[in-house]
Amino acid sequence: DTGVSQDPRHKITKRGQNVTFRCDPISEHNRLYWYRQTLGQGPEFLTYFQNEAQLEKSRLLSDRFSAERPKGSFSTLEIQRTEQGDSAMYLCASSRWSPGELFFGEGSRLTVL
Amino acid sequence: DQQVKQNSPSLSVQEGRISILNCDYTNSMFDYFLWYKKYPAEGPTFLISISSIKDKNEDGRFTVFLNKSAKHLSLHIVPSQPGDSAVYFCAASANSGAGSYQLTFGKGTKLSVIP
Repeated sequence: DTGVSQDPRHKITKRGQNVTFRCDPISEHNRLYWYRQTLGQGPEFLTYFQNEAQLEKSRLLSDRFSAERPKGSFSTLEIQRTEQGDSAMYLCASSRWSPGELFFGEGSRLTVL
Repeated sequence: DQQVKQNSPSLSVQEGRISILNCDYTNSMFDYFLWYKKYPAEGPTFLISISSIKDKNEDGRFTVFLNKSAKHLSLHIVPSQPGDSAVYFCAASANSGAGSYQLTFGKGTKLSVIP
């Protein structure tokens, strides 16, 4: 499978814990995006990487959130001190060019108890 | 403030008939539009796109129409098939010539194609 891969698919955690999600993009794509989707809403932009450089962060990305893409390959999204409002599907996508067709992974569903 | 609006949460269509999904936008800077389809437990998949320099784009059974003056676009599926049953998201991007990278999505329309 050469699509976008996300891990874990599901994560249940208690409020106040830290969680980390990983995304492996399509190998020839140098652009990588994180989106968040809550029930009944469309995906909302969180952050964008071109190679290893994080070029844009949404105001939705509070200081408890941090994303990295070391060496311009896989990316991680960490949420510190999780809150119940962080419960959502976290989607990773990659593309060859912007704002062209994004290839999304299946998402990582976070539930904060 | 919803900059991309899909006012119909759901739509039911008979198999073989036309499905028309609508999308309105408020940001006049949007110049590139896309439709994505999403099945349960999967990520969205790209369907079709259109640049603001065009008013129509076709790909097989799927056609997207753009009316810039009305800030309105629509997706037509002809003929509709049961496998088309999914949630459809409209998305838009601004200033694509400057390398814009952020897509703004609508809330989606759930299409049900009845056999």
